[in-house]
Amino acid sequence: DQQVKQNSPSLSVQEGRISILNCDYTNSMFDYFLWYKKYPAEGPTFLISISSIKDKNEDGRFTVFLNKSAKHLSLHIVPSQPGDSAVYFCAASASNNAGNMLTFGGGTRLMVKP
Amino acid sequence: ETGVTQTPRHLVMGMTNKKSLKCEQHLGHNAMYWYKQSAKKPLELMFVYSLEERVENNSVPSRFSPECPNSSHLFLHLHTLQPEDSALYLCASSQDGPSGGADTQYFGPGTRLTVL
Repeated sequence: DQQVKQNSPSLSVQEGRISILNCDYTNSMFDYFLWYKKYPAEGPTFLISISSIKDKNEDGRFTVFLNKSAKHLSLHIVPSQPGDSAVYFCAASASNNAGNMLTFGGGTRLMVKP
Repeated sequence: ETGVTQTPRHLVMGMTNKKSLKCEQHLGHNAMYWYKQSAKKPLELMFVYSLEERVENNSVPSRFSPECPNSSHLFLHLHTLQPEDSALYLCASSQDGPSGGADTQYFGPGTRLTVL
């Protein structure tokens, strides 16, 4: 059973508009969440993270929101740019895990149209 | 070289071959990871090495054998693989805190493996 799910395999957005990528998790022990961005033929690159003690973290055009009661997080990109077109993975970690293991969602492919 | 590097970037092998994937991190981290990314499946953690000791195995088949000779290098030895093992194999590294916890993992570009 997948503990981290990204239910939308793809998302298409017009340049300049907001992109909202969603992620749900089932493990209540997760207390740290990350978003990664992946271009073809490259490894995932870290984008932004949030600890469970917060409900929002912002970095430039990227904002991550965490709703612990719903076990849901989302990544907002505004304004969206064509260079944001990539696959976005959310990942989660529990601080009682040895070795800092991350559990990843299946990814959402974002396409930003000029 | 900076960050996390992986070689080779592409590998095609037969089911009877033996090959190795190499990962090197230049970030001074103390933990390294192997992940497998198959088409239409989530990224799967295969192995974790923290301070050069294996922490998690995740029930990976024995035809995959990891080796971590030091904190900067990680290998994945492959033998008698199956076609379904064809995937992108990603290496990552992080700096583990003393109480575990979550630190950002930095990924290499991956090795695209095809098993014929």
